[in-house]
Amino acid sequence: GAGVSQSPSNKVTEKGKDVELRCDPISGHTALYWYRQSLGQGLEFLIYFQGNSAPDKSGLPSDRFSAERTGGSVSTLTIQRTQQEDSAVYLCASSFRGQFYEQYFGPGTRLTVT
Amino acid sequence: QQPVQSPQAVILREGEDAVINCSSSKALYSVHWYRQKHGEAPVFLMILLKGGEQKGHEKISASFNEKKQQSSLYLTASQLSYSGTYFCGWGGGAAAGNKLTFGGGTRVLVKP
Repeated sequence: GAGVSQSPSNKVTEKGKDVELRCDPISGHTALYWYRQSLGQGLEFLIYFQGNSAPDKSGLPSDRFSAERTGGSVSTLTIQRTQQEDSAVYLCASSFRGQFYEQYFGPGTRLTVT
Repeated sequence: QQPVQSPQAVILREGEDAVINCSSSKALYSVHWYRQKHGEAPVFLMILLKGGEQKGHEKISASFNEKKQQSSLYLTASQLSYSGTYFCGWGGGAAAGNKLTFGGGTRVLVKP
């Protein structure tokens, strides 16, 4: 079946603008994760959804970052008033449940803030 | 606090073996291993669950030492396709929000 998809694949925006990143998880996967990966770095956890609720938002870097998930499916990560340090690849992953199941990653959205 | 991976990088000749370690002081319920090739998304390799169960689908094995709080990934008879960055994800159970915390990665280069 289809894997995790993300859109857009690339986004260039000016400092101060808002951006929305979208993630379509694998059908039937109840858990959804957002990560950030800066060039040559590891995976920085941002937020985790179980169904539509986010039991853990501890990784969101600031109140400029927010995320929601609707219908237990699509998720949107919103970054308001973007800053240059927000430039990174934003990866979404889904899994059947939580940590005891493998995560399937999407191709990512490369965000560049100029 | 992210788990610590070692070594940070390793260069192998095709056919050689390597071990990558991942350790954390946090309680463990699961350890995941993923491999990421340049410009691509991470791909699942292996899960080890507390209690010893392993789930994986590649010719790569792993183990977990509960006393040392350390997981090891074994690359045996390495192939060129093993090149990439390996990440461990540490699952701390419900107390840790049922999420994974990833290590900083180990870069592996397999040369012919």
